Amino acid sequence: KQEVTQIPAALSVPEGENLVLNCSFTDSAIYNLQWFRQDPGKGLTSLLLIQSSQREQTSGRLNASLDKSSGRSTLYIAASQPGDSATYLCAVPASGGSYIPTFGRGTSLIVHP
Amino acid sequence: NAGVTQTPKFRVLKTGQSMTLLCAQDMNHEYMYWYRQDPGMGLRLIHYSVGEGTTAKGEVPDGYNVSRLKKQNFLLGLESAAPSQTSVYFCASSYPIAGDLSTDTQYFGPGTRLTVL
Repeated sequence: KQEVTQIPAALSVPEGENLVLNCSFTDSAIYNLQWFRQDPGKGLTSLLLIQSSQREQTSGRLNASLDKSSGRSTLYIAASQPGDSATYLCAVPASGGSYIPTFGRGTSLIVHP
Repeated sequence: NAGVTQTPKFRVLKTGQSMTLLCAQDMNHEYMYWYRQDPGMGLRLIHYSVGEGTTAKGEVPDGYNVSRLKKQNFLLGLESAAPSQTSVYFCASSYPIAGDLSTDTQYFGPGTRLTVL
């Protein structure tokens, strides 16, 4: 069974810091890895999708990397802003070649002015 | 495009009552999913569908039924609600580009907050 772990569970930082959020998974036979953002009381918004053949993806101040062999992904947030405060979740397909995603429990981020 | 919409946004039920949650998407996606999100448990898959007329069980299917009679709609039913089904329910849809599963990106609805008393 695919297990997805996100570290840290919570993070509080001052504005302007560069951040690294971690996601690890147990089964490396994945199609892709997706990072989401969830604001309180809202649904999930897709941030980045890294295909299994890719090493990283970038969108603005966000950069996500994928190392399938070690079962790890990192989400790098540059020059954090209070508007980045949210919960960040990663999702990878379940084990056995499935495309159905398994989600981590997320990292709750607070960026204070 | 409205994307993925969910009806209703909030609902309070008494134990034993039934209800149906509606999910609709206007992106012509083949795959649709129902999740529940509980504090400390993360997102868990209830049921999913890979196309019109098909459904399959996810991680926590007990107490729920689903139907996908039209491609754009995915219904989640609770026949006899229990307090353990108090949760936030999310619907999602996805479509792999040209059948390439590595491109499959999930799009989520805003959620339905259900309380069972």
